[in-house]
Amino acid sequence: AQSVTQLGSHVSVSEGALVLLRCNYSSSVPPYLFWYVQYPNQGLQLLLKYTSAATLVKGINGFEAEFKKSETSFHLTKPSAHMSDAAEYFCAVTPYSSASKIIFGSGTRLSIRP
Amino acid sequence: EAGVTQFPSHSVIEKGQTVTLRCDPISGHDNLYWYRRVMGKEIKFLLHFVKESKQDESGMPNNRFLAERTGGTYSTLKVQPAELEDSGVYFCASSQPGWSSGSGYNEQFFGPGTRLTVL
Repeated sequence: AQSVTQLGSHVSVSEGALVLLRCNYSSSVPPYLFWYVQYPNQGLQLLLKYTSAATLVKGINGFEAEFKKSETSFHLTKPSAHMSDAAEYFCAVTPYSSASKIIFGSGTRLSIRP
Repeated sequence: EAGVTQFPSHSVIEKGQTVTLRCDPISGHDNLYWYRRVMGKEIKFLLHFVKESKQDESGMPNNRFLAERTGGTYSTLKVQPAELEDSGVYFCASSQPGWSSGSGYNEQFFGPGTRLTVL
């Protein structure tokens, strides 16, 4: 069985500060891992994905995430927050052996302080 | 190229009524998925179509929910009769058939969702 845990339902950072959104996963098979973002009144957009290649994955808008198998983590970071980063972020996992359902975490709402 | 579209964007109905949600996937995408997010909870998988066939419907909550994909194009999700706990945002996603030649994973593209409120 697979699951995803996102630590912190709400994170607030100042503009220009480091963004760190935490995600831990549980998977009995090698997983594909994702971060999705949902901006207000929009659908889910794929930010980045890990598919067993490089452990440091770069995504859109300056975000990146590092797959750490020993820690079962896939934390999302961005060196300098921008006001436009305010959104809800979802960590997700799907089994390597299947292209079917995605299992999502409960989401982290990111707020940016001016 | 048009993305995944969903209709309606919002729906407000009374308990006991019927509602039908529609999803139009990206053209050529054989895989179609339904997910929903109940208020404050995580986004949960409902079911997966491959063309017109149900590949996995393990997430369907009960028999008040009926999903169809006649002809393997658009899909509908009917809730009959609706209950208060059905309120939430229903997302549809689609992906290309098979596996990609690169990463081995075909990205699921999500629609904007339908916000359903049952009063």
